[in-house]
Amino acid sequence: EAQVTQNPRYLITVTGKKLTVTCSQNMNHEYMSWYRQDPGLGLRQIYYSMNVEVTDKGDVPEGYKVSRKEKRNFPLILESPSPNQTSLYFCASSWARDHTGELFFGEGSRLTVL
Amino acid sequence: GESVGLHLPTLSVQEGDNSIINCAYSNSASDYFIWYKQESGKGPQFIIDIRSNMDKRQGQRVTVLLNKTVKHLSLQIAATQPGDSAVYFCAENAGGTSYGKLTFGQGTILTVHP
Repeated sequence: EAQVTQNPRYLITVTGKKLTVTCSQNMNHEYMSWYRQDPGLGLRQIYYSMNVEVTDKGDVPEGYKVSRKEKRNFPLILESPSPNQTSLYFCASSWARDHTGELFFGEGSRLTVL
Repeated sequence: GESVGLHLPTLSVQEGDNSIINCAYSNSASDYFIWYKQESGKGPQFIIDIRSNMDKRQGQRVTVLLNKTVKHLSLQIAATQPGDSAVYFCAENAGGTSYGKLTFGQGTILTVHP
């Protein structure tokens, strides 16, 4: 089954404790991206990647890192999480480098930073 | 900065009626637009897309209209069903040097009453 898998789905952590949210897709997509979703703000893009070893900032990259060492994986790293990073995070992938194609989303990872 | 927004945050319709969800965008350089549907507890799902060289595109029970003159996008759902109840997001891709960035609107909540 074609899918984007995120882990963990739920996480409660404390300020400053590094964490990684993994994202993996099995569709051989070149494009991958991370979004955060907050009430009243919709989905905001954090980082995206056009291909392996190529990453770029989205609209809200501060406090986050990503890596794209292999095509299927695009982990989101919070080196020192803060309460304002409490949010619902979505990973997504697409077959098209220029993003003009159907974007497949994961089920989301709800992160709470105390 | 550039943004995508919605005229109405909520829309309630009766089953069988047609629904129209509107979206305004401000980036005249945007050349690709997408509508997504998000059901409670799930990631967004692609509905339909349209390029800026078109003004109308039809799918199964859905039609997207693009008016570049007034920078307006709409999603029409024919014969709305209770299963259509969800949050609907429009999104734009600016193309050019920003072709990896996707900007989402805040979302419209569609409620379909039986």
